Amino acid sequence: GQQVMQIPQYQHVQEGEDFTTYCNSSTTLSNIQWYKQRPGGHPVFLIQLVKSGEVKKQKRLTFQFGEAKKNSSLHITATQTTDVGTYFCAGYNFNKFYFGSGTKLNVKP
Amino acid sequence: NAGVTQTPKFRVLKTGQSMTLLCAQDMNHEYMYWYRQDPGMGLRLIHYSVGEGTTAKGEVPDGYNVSRLKKQNFLLGLESAAPSQTSVYFCASEGRFYGANVLTFGAGSRLTVL
Repeated sequence: GQQVMQIPQYQHVQEGEDFTTYCNSSTTLSNIQWYKQRPGGHPVFLIQLVKSGEVKKQKRLTFQFGEAKKNSSLHITATQTTDVGTYFCAGYNFNKFYFGSGTKLNVKP
Repeated sequence: NAGVTQTPKFRVLKTGQSMTLLCAQDMNHEYMYWYRQDPGMGLRLIHYSVGEGTTAKGEVPDGYNVSRLKKQNFLLGLESAAPSQTSVYFCASEGRFYGANVLTFGAGSRLTVL
C-alpha cells in the first residue's frame, strides 16, 4: 500500500540553527500537507503544496514539493523555542491522507 | 467556537472493560476520522466515515468499532480493552479551507489500559 516516510525521527538543535525534515512517498501524490503538533497538543494544519516543484514560505518556514510530486521538505531558518513540536507531512491521494511518522524538534535556548 | 470536540480527555481502563470515545464537530463536515498516536509511529488511521450512516476500516481497525448515526458525531468503541490499546486518540474532520482539503483535529483523548 501507499506509504509516506519521514526523516529524521528526532532533531535537537541550538536556538538559531536551521532545521529540515524530509518526506518521501512511494507513489505520486495529488498534494502534500504539513501539520505541526505542539507538545501535549493536537496536529494543526500549516500548509498545502499542490504543484510540481512548488515552494511556499511562511515567515521562517520554507516548504517544497518535489518535481515528481513524491517528496517534500520543510526547512526552518534560525529556529526559535516556539518552533518546538512534532512536524508531520501528509500525502493526499484518492481522498485519503497518508501521514508520515513525524519529526520531533527540540530547540535548546 | 467552531471545531472538533472529543470526550473524555483522559480515561483509565482495566483489561477487558469497554468504553466509547465521542467526537463532535460543528462544521457540517462529511468526512470524519479516528487516529491513534503512539510514540515514534505517527498517526495511524483506525476507522473513518464519509457521511452519516457510513463507516470504513482504516489501517489499524482491529479491536475497535465505530458508528456515525448523526453527521456531527463519530463514536469510537472499544468492546474489550487491551493494554496494546493504550494510546492517544485523535478525531478529525475534513473540510475545505483556502482551496485545500484540510483536517481539523480534536484535542485528543488519552487512554490507558491496565
